[in-house]
Amino acid sequence: GESVGLHLPTLSVQEGDNSIINCAYSNSASDYFIWYKQESGKGPQFIIDIRSNMDKRQGQRVTVLLNKTVKHLSLQIAATQPGDSAVYFCAENMRGSGGGADGLTFGKGTHLIIQP
Amino acid sequence: DAGITQSPRHKVTETGTPVTLRCHQTENHRYMYWYRQDPGHGLRLIHYSYGVKDTDKGEVSDGYSVSRSKTEDFLLTLESATSSQTSVYFCAISGGGRYTEAFFGQGTRLTVV
Repeated sequence: GESVGLHLPTLSVQEGDNSIINCAYSNSASDYFIWYKQESGKGPQFIIDIRSNMDKRQGQRVTVLLNKTVKHLSLQIAATQPGDSAVYFCAENMRGSGGGADGLTFGKGTHLIIQP
Repeated sequence: DAGITQSPRHKVTETGTPVTLRCHQTENHRYMYWYRQDPGHGLRLIHYSYGVKDTDKGEVSDGYSVSRSKTEDFLLTLESATSSQTSVYFCAISGGGRYTEAFFGQGTRLTVV
C-alpha cells in the first residue's frame, strides 16, 4: 500500500478560518517532505518543504509540522482564502543517497473546499 | 510554471497507435521526470532522466519508453497505446541533490479509445 497517505479525502473550511491538512508516512528512513497544491486542470505547485532535522517550518501563511515519533506531517494554512481551494498532497523522499527527486512518493491528496 | 512546457496538452488516440508526449524545459535542470496521475493512485513515476541519454525506470514503466537527446527535451513514448494508459501525464524537473523539490508542467490529458 501507499507509504504516504492523507487522513481525509475532503476538507471543508470557512473562508478566513485556519486549515489543517494531515499526512501520514510509514518509512522512518524518509528525511525530506514536500507539500504540493494542485488546482483543477493544472500541475502540482510546490508550497513548502521540510527536512527531518526540523519539526516546523513556516512560509507565507503556511506552516508545515513534522512529528517523526508518529510519522505524521501536517500543513497549516492561515486565514484560508478562496484561492486556497485545491487538492493538497504530501510527498516524501525515501532514498537514502543523493540524486534527484526520483525517490519522491506522493500521497493521494486532500481536496480543500473553502466555504464563503 | 518553472519554464516547463508540455505538448500536446490534450490528445485522443486509438488503441494500438504510437503516441509521443514532449516535455521542454528552459531551466537547464539536470533531472526530468514523467509521472501519470490517476484517481485513487496519486502521482506515479513512469521514467526519469538524470542527464542527456541517461534514463531509468520508475514505478510504472511497462508500456512506456523515454528519450533525452538534449538537456531541455524529454520525450515519453507509448509504443502501442492501450486504454489503461488513459491518464493525465505530468512532466517535472529538478536540479538534483538529496533535498530538492520537483517542479511540474501543466500536464497532458491523454485518452485512448
